[in-house]
Order: sequence, then C-alpha cells, then structure tokens
Amino acid sequence: AQSVTQPDIHITVSEGASLELRCNYSYGATPYLFWYVQSPGQGLQLLLKYFSGDTLVQGIKGFEAEFKRSQSSFNLRKPSVHWSDAAEYFCAVGGTGGGNKLTFGTGTQLKVEL
Amino acid sequence: DAMVIQNPRYQVTQFGKPVTLSCSQTLNHNVMYWYQQKSSQAPKLLFHYYDKDFNNEADTPDNFQSRRPNTSFCFLDIRSPGLGDAAMYLCATSRVLADGNEQFFGPGTRLTVL
Repeated sequence: AQSVTQPDIHITVSEGASLELRCNYSYGATPYLFWYVQSPGQGLQLLLKYFSGDTLVQGIKGFEAEFKRSQSSFNLRKPSVHWSDAAEYFCAVGGTGGGNKLTFGTGTQLKVEL
Repeated sequence: DAMVIQNPRYQVTQFGKPVTLSCSQTLNHNVMYWYQQKSSQAPKLLFHYYDKDFNNEADTPDNFQSRRPNTSFCFLDIRSPGLGDAAMYLCATSRVLADGNEQFFGPGTRLTVL
C-alpha cells in the first residue's frame, strides 16, 4: 500500500529565508507525486507534480521539488519565502493501479515571521 | 472562472440527524471525489463518481452515502452523524480517472456534530 510521511508538523521561517519541506513516500514503483497547499478557509491548490523525466520539478508561486528515488523523497523548496506563503502544505502520492487515488501526508503547517 | 463550489461552508447538525453536503463544479469534469479531513490529519478518500459509476472505498462507513444527479452536482449524505464524523469534507474533481490526473478541490465544508 502506498503511504506518505511528512515528518515536520510545524515549521517557522523568517520572511526572505529559504524553505524546505520534507516528504517521504512508500510505493513499490515510481509513483505520481504531488504537493498541494491549503490556505485557511480555502481548498487544496496544486503547487506541482512529478510523473517522470527531470527529477527537479518547477511549480507555481516560485516553488520547486526534487524527486530522489534512492531516498524515497520528494522535498519541496523555495529560495525566499514570502509572508503570503503561510499555509498548510500536503504531499500526496498517486498510484498506477487505476482510479487516480491520492494518498496524502498529514501536512506541514508553515508559519512565516515578518 | 471554472471552479469547484461547496455549500454550505459550515454546517452544524445534531447527533443522529441526517445531513447533506453539496458540491458543484463548472469544470465539466467526469470524476467527482469526496474526502474527509479530520483535524490535523490527512484528507482521506471516501468515494468517487466516474460519470454515473459510483466507487466506494473499502473502509468508508455505510453511514456515508453519495448521489450524483448530473455532471455538475454531487452530494454527500450522512445518515446518522456521530461525534466522530465532525470534520472538514472536501470535494474534488478531475477530468478523467487516469492515474496522475490533477484533482481540483473545493474550499470544503466544516461539519460540527453536537
């Protein structure tokens, strides 16, 4: 069964600092990997996704993520955080068995200090 | 803008009193999903519709039902809500059911059970 671990429940960074949110997945083959962001009162918005090819994926809002098969990781990064990035971030894995089923991690709550 | 709309945004019901949550979409997508997200937990898929075909997750309680009268609308019915059903309920859509297809989320309905 596929699973996702986000080891950091809360992260606080200063505005302008760099950010890395960790995500580890468990899946027997190369999975589909996603990062979603959820602002208060909002639905989940897709930041980026990885299916195959280049292991460094660029997304919206200046985010990027790197797929590392050897570490079963798909960490999200941003070089300079803005106050508006404060939100909850979810990593998700999708299988290849049909049904487009997503398994989410428990999320990382990001706080940005001004 | 094309979007996923959920009504109401906040719903309060009494223990055992049936409640219906609504989701509509202007994306004309074939697939509609319902997720349950409890506090500080990952969103968990309850079921999905692919056109008129209903697919229930194996561990979704019988207390949860769904209806999709047309392409645009999908309803989540909780027949006898318990205190443990208090959660955020997220509706999502995707164009097709193929693995890796992006899911678009609504803002969610927060359900309180008294």
